[in-house]
Amino acid sequence: NAGVTQTPKFQVLKTGQSMTLQCAQDMNHEYMSWYRQDPGMGLRLIHYSVGAGITDQGEVPNGYNVSRSTTEDFPLRLLSAAPSQTSVYFCASSLTVLSSYNEQFFGPGTRLTVL
Amino acid sequence: GQQLNQSPQSMFIQEGEDVSMNCTSSSIFNTWLWYKQDPGEGPVLLIALYKAGELTSNGRLTAQFGITRKDSFLNISASIPSDVGIYFCAGQSSGSRLTFGEGTQLTVNP
Repeated sequence: NAGVTQTPKFQVLKTGQSMTLQCAQDMNHEYMSWYRQDPGMGLRLIHYSVGAGITDQGEVPNGYNVSRSTTEDFPLRLLSAAPSQTSVYFCASSLTVLSSYNEQFFGPGTRLTVL
Repeated sequence: GQQLNQSPQSMFIQEGEDVSMNCTSSSIFNTWLWYKQDPGEGPVLLIALYKAGELTSNGRLTAQFGITRKDSFLNISASIPSDVGIYFCAGQSSGSRLTFGEGTQLTVNP
């Protein structure tokens, strides 16, 4: 298994540009999520999905869209990039959404700079 | 929303020393987790704690789930250079949504 993969690894955008960060997992996990990591702030949840066709907002959803048309893929779209969206983005997945914890596996991250 | 305070923010230690870091929360969690992030990589789970008072070890790492369910600590004994990285605590109160601490940057001098 490749686990959780993310592309691209690095990206530079100009303010106002749009782009899609790709995330895929080959573990047949139901739960997938996107986080952003900023210095001194830990990881903050952007959007998450409990299964194909179902998405919901996390802690910091503004400026981002997601969709989950398949179990494997969970792309994150930046509609109109802003400098405040400069960050490292991590995708994660776990087997199911149960009352007890299921380990979340993180991808390697996408480092995004918005000029 | 839920807040997690993690301390210290950074630590500089000599190889062989023991390390301790902790997290406190304004609300109760059902699960406490500790992750390590190596430079340029995503976080990797080190230890998961499921019950108040639970003390769990993983090699040189020991973590405890506080009795009030609002805190947790992580100890690393006899540190080695490959322990370098950012350590995150995370709490889970329902489903799979996690709340992360701010991270502790650990530097180990050989």
